[in-house]
Amino acid sequence: GAVVSQHPSRVICKSGTSVKIECRSLDFQATTMFWYRQFPKQSLMLMATSNEGSKATYEQGVEKDKFLINHASLTLSTLTVTSAHPEDSSFYICSAEPPGTVYNSPLHFGNGTRLTVT
Amino acid sequence: KQEVTQIPAALSVPEGENLVLNCSFTDSAIYNLQWFRQDPGKGLTSLLLIQSSQREQTSGRLNASLDKSSGRSTLYIAASQPGDSATYLCASRGSGSQGNLIFGKGTKLSVKP
Repeated sequence: GAVVSQHPSRVICKSGTSVKIECRSLDFQATTMFWYRQFPKQSLMLMATSNEGSKATYEQGVEKDKFLINHASLTLSTLTVTSAHPEDSSFYICSAEPPGTVYNSPLHFGNGTRLTVT
Repeated sequence: KQEVTQIPAALSVPEGENLVLNCSFTDSAIYNLQWFRQDPGKGLTSLLLIQSSQREQTSGRLNASLDKSSGRSTLYIAASQPGDSATYLCASRGSGSQGNLIFGKGTKLSVKP
C-alpha cells in the first residue's frame, strides 16, 4: 500500500533556531500533501495544504512566514519552522494521497515529528 | 464550520468485550468519514472509510456505520484484544475544493488482559 515517510521523528532545538521536517511519498506521486499539528489531548489541526509547484494554502491563524512549506517535487514536501519558540513544541504530521483518487481513498499519514523547543 | 466530537474521551474495557466508539459531526454535507488508529507518539493508520452514500463498512473485527442525517458515526470493535489499545480518531472530509479532514479529539481505548 501507499507509504508516507516523515523525517525526523524527533527533534529538539533551541529557541530562535529553525527546524526542517520532510515528508516523502515513497511509492506514489503526490501533487497535494497536508500538514497537521497536534497538541497534547487535542485534535489534529490542519495547518496548510502543500501543492506541488505552487504556493501552499495556509489555514486561518497559521503564519505563513513562520511555517515555510516547499513542495518542490511530486514526492517531497518540507515544513520549516523558523525562529522556533517553546509554544511551537508540538507533534507535526503530514499526509498525502495518490492523485486522481478524488477523495475516494484514505489519506496516508507519516509517523509524525515530535518537536521540542527549549 | 464543521465540528467533530468523539465520546467518550477515554474507555477501559476487559479483554474480549465488544465496544462502541461514537463520533458526531455538525455539518452533514460530508464527502466521507474516516476512522483512524493512533498509537502513542506515532502517526495515523487508516482503519475504515465510509463514503457519504454508504451506511457501513467492515474490516475484520471492526465495523463502522454512518448516519448522515443525524450526524453520527460509530466504530464497533468486536472481541477486543489488548493490541487494540490505542487512540481512535474519526475525521470528516468535506466536499470543498481542498477536501481536508476535520478531526475529533479521539477516544483513548485501553483493553486490559
